[in-house]
Amino acid sequence: DTAVSQTPKYLVTQMGNDKSIKCEQNLGHDTMYWYKQDSKKFLKIMFSYNNKELIINETVPNRFSPKSPDKAHLNLHINSLELGDSAVYFCASSPQGHYGYTFGSGTRLTVV
Amino acid sequence: SQQGEEDPQALSIQEGENATMNCSYKTSINNLQWYRQNSGRGLVHLILIRSNEREKHSGRLRVTLDTSKKSSSLLITASRAADTASYFCATERQGAQKLVFGQGTRLTINP
Repeated sequence: DTAVSQTPKYLVTQMGNDKSIKCEQNLGHDTMYWYKQDSKKFLKIMFSYNNKELIINETVPNRFSPKSPDKAHLNLHINSLELGDSAVYFCASSPQGHYGYTFGSGTRLTVV
Repeated sequence: SQQGEEDPQALSIQEGENATMNCSYKTSINNLQWYRQNSGRGLVHLILIRSNEREKHSGRLRVTLDTSKKSSSLLITASRAADTASYFCATERQGAQKLVFGQGTRLTINP
């Protein structure tokens, strides 16, 4: 199936831990994104990569570090997790130009 | 900062009725997009309307765009229970390669 897939779907961890979320797309898209959806359903962009190059970093704390080993993958590593990091994180991709995004199914992160 | 404001925040109608959701935004845009999110799921792209377009149709969906008022509307005709979801508008500003989302409208279709 052509899709954006992210793992894990659920992640429960203690404060202070380091965790990673992985994202892969097989759509051949050039641009990938990470979005954060808070408890009020508000979606905010965190990062955007185009062909492995960072193009957007929306004043995200540097505890969050994205890594794009190739244009089909964009992983998100989070250091020293805090309670406020609890949210649903969505990966998305889009082709070059102005088109709709394809979203993954999300990773629900709960920090306890 | 948040670009879009959606109205209403929640809408509950009977199956078969039409549902209209509105979105306002603040800056010049390249395009405006509508997405659906079912509970606990990812967002699904519904329709994209470019800044030089005024109206677009896709199946039971009709989107309008008024750039002079910086507003858009999404009309879902002949609603079905399966249309129950949250609907988000998102704008792509001129010169920016990112989508900025509104806070969404929670639509409930009652059988």
